[in-house]
Amino acid sequence: DGGITQSPKYLFRKEGQNVTLSCEQNLNHDAMYWYRQDPGQGLRLIYYSQIVNDFQKGDIAEGYSVSREKKESFPLTVTSAQKNPTAFYLCASTPKLQGGEQYFGPGTRLTVT
Amino acid sequence: GENVEQHPSTLSVQEGDSAVIKCTYSDSASNYFPWYKQELGKRPQLIIDIRSNVGEKKDQRIAVTLNKTAKHFSLHITETQPEDSAVYFCAAIPPATDSWGKFQFGAGTQVVVTP
Repeated sequence: DGGITQSPKYLFRKEGQNVTLSCEQNLNHDAMYWYRQDPGQGLRLIYYSQIVNDFQKGDIAEGYSVSREKKESFPLTVTSAQKNPTAFYLCASTPKLQGGEQYFGPGTRLTVT
Repeated sequence: GENVEQHPSTLSVQEGDSAVIKCTYSDSASNYFPWYKQELGKRPQLIIDIRSNVGEKKDQRIAVTLNKTAKHFSLHITETQPEDSAVYFCAAIPPATDSWGKFQFGAGTQVVVTP
């Protein structure tokens, strides 16, 4: 389980507030990802980053923002522009040279009311 | 880009029976095919994977087969047990080139094993 952490596990916010989800990894992985998962749904890619100071939009980037100032950290901000932010958010990382396997964090369940 | 389709979306099996989940992919360059298991409220965890230079891989009660020509791969679970109940995701990953970063997962299969 160790190596990639997310905090907090549960997060509650009022509508209209921005909120930042933390993701940290000590695996020395190059790439990091953010996914959103709704009940009974698959994994939808929000943003990903292959290298420090660079990131790309995924399939559902609208209403979200990220930064990659350090290799170990890839925080996700859910802005007030995101229409339906309540979901389970998963962060993942991958060692580029090995390719493939994604290591997932434990997730953050965000509830916005 | 890669597109992965996964079937069925739900699968109910009696304990002890076998379960098979199938995925098809579109990008013939994809060469890595992992399967993840996600229990309720938990993170997805890798259970088995296969690379394109191998046709079949087995690990105890689970196995994965790959047909590169037809561009499909399958997860096989034998002698199912209640603890196999979970959502299973497949993925198809291209080589580690500049375009490798955007992974594509299947939509998931909810497996329910009834005693």
